[in-house]
Amino acid sequence: QKEVEQDPGPLSVPEGAIVSLNCTYSNSAFQYFMWYRQYSRKGPELLMYTYSSGNKEDGRFTAQVDKSSKYISLFIRDSQPSDSATYLCAASGGYQKVTFGIGTKLQVIP
Amino acid sequence: DVKVTQSSRYLVKRTGEKVFLECVQDMDHENMFWYRQDPGLGLRLIYFSYDVKMKEKGDIPEGYSVSREKKERFSLILESASTNQTSMYLCASSKPGNQPQHFGDGTRLSIL
Repeated sequence: QKEVEQDPGPLSVPEGAIVSLNCTYSNSAFQYFMWYRQYSRKGPELLMYTYSSGNKEDGRFTAQVDKSSKYISLFIRDSQPSDSATYLCAASGGYQKVTFGIGTKLQVIP
Repeated sequence: DVKVTQSSRYLVKRTGEKVFLECVQDMDHENMFWYRQDPGLGLRLIYFSYDVKMKEKGDIPEGYSVSREKKERFSLILESASTNQTSMYLCASSKPGNQPQHFGDGTRLSIL
């Protein structure tokens, strides 16, 4: 079993929809959680960085961590075609070693 | 903004060649990392470095080595390239402590 599990999709939604992207993890030592966005033929771009449980909002993006169920979520409101990309979740227990999910490919249809 | 620059976007080499991939960051970050990214496998850590001339093995170091002679530059070396090293290679950097990593745009390496 991988330490961070993520459904690879693809996930297709109509423009304007609320998108929910999810990951689960198995390592109880993970305390730092990240979401990256990766466009085709580009490197991952940091979207959200959170510590421990709770919510963090940045514009149309909300990251949510539930440590009791080991569940990580990213919500995208009012999705746009420009949001079409692969979204990687990641987790770390500190000391810079980061474990990544395999990424979920999202397509937002105009 | 953090800028991590990888010297080549696309590279084609032959089996047995010694291959150098270069990465430079402009934010004075102490930590630098090399990953490879493959479909269905995600990002896997090859090597990382916490300081100049220091290096640590990641999860898949076999067949690779690294060099960090200057703080801003981290090189990945494929000692004798093989076809199973065809992949997307990503470099990242970060500040010390529990700070997020920032990535370059990757080098897509094909070994023929």
